[in-house]
Amino acid sequence: GAVVSQHPSRVICKSGTSVKIECRSLDFQATTMFWYRQFPKKSLMLMATSNEGSKATYEQGVEKDKFLINHASLTLSTLTVTSAHPEDSSFYICSASSSGGPTDTQYFGPGTRLTVL
Amino acid sequence: GNSVTQMEGPVTLSEEAFLTINCTYTATGYPSLFWYVQYPGEGLQLLLKATKADDKGSNKGFEATYRKETTSFHLEKGSVQVSDSAVYFCALGIQGAQKLVFGQGTRLTINP
Repeated sequence: GAVVSQHPSRVICKSGTSVKIECRSLDFQATTMFWYRQFPKKSLMLMATSNEGSKATYEQGVEKDKFLINHASLTLSTLTVTSAHPEDSSFYICSASSSGGPTDTQYFGPGTRLTVL
Repeated sequence: GNSVTQMEGPVTLSEEAFLTINCTYTATGYPSLFWYVQYPGEGLQLLLKATKADDKGSNKGFEATYRKETTSFHLEKGSVQVSDSAVYFCALGIQGAQKLVFGQGTRLTINP
């Protein structure tokens, strides 16, 4: 149980184009989804937190107009990197949690590697 | 503030060796503590967790005890296998897992 999928797993795009990444909770309803960015050999950096039906909460330093997050349902969140540039190349990981309670756990997707040429 | 410090890697061990990866934290309040593992080319998987002081999390032969007095959550395994080669992340969670703060990760390589 508690499986989170991401699509696509890899994407290569030209500079200036937009890329959408999907995150789905397959066997549970995710009240909250999280988007992280992982740089090579570095830890995960939380970009934003989204609750179903609400606007995402972005971490300090993350441009909300560049990284658009939509959490349209309890099983789907999308991250759109708008007007991507080479410095946006990274490994993007989503996670989901179900209840938000004190014993809750985040379950992670397999990640999406974005390469911007 | 909240932060997690992990033992710097990489760590290389022989099969069947004893493993310890140190993790200490600073936090306001009473966080939950987690260990996640990332196998090559994959996303993070929850390995084990503990939600309060003196709790011991365990899974797949790994274990870690939430030590409030030393603010630590060290990961241990008595006999490692080649298949344990991965990157291990210690994390603390605010309000359960509503906001995770990760350590920098420790790359573990087990040689046959």
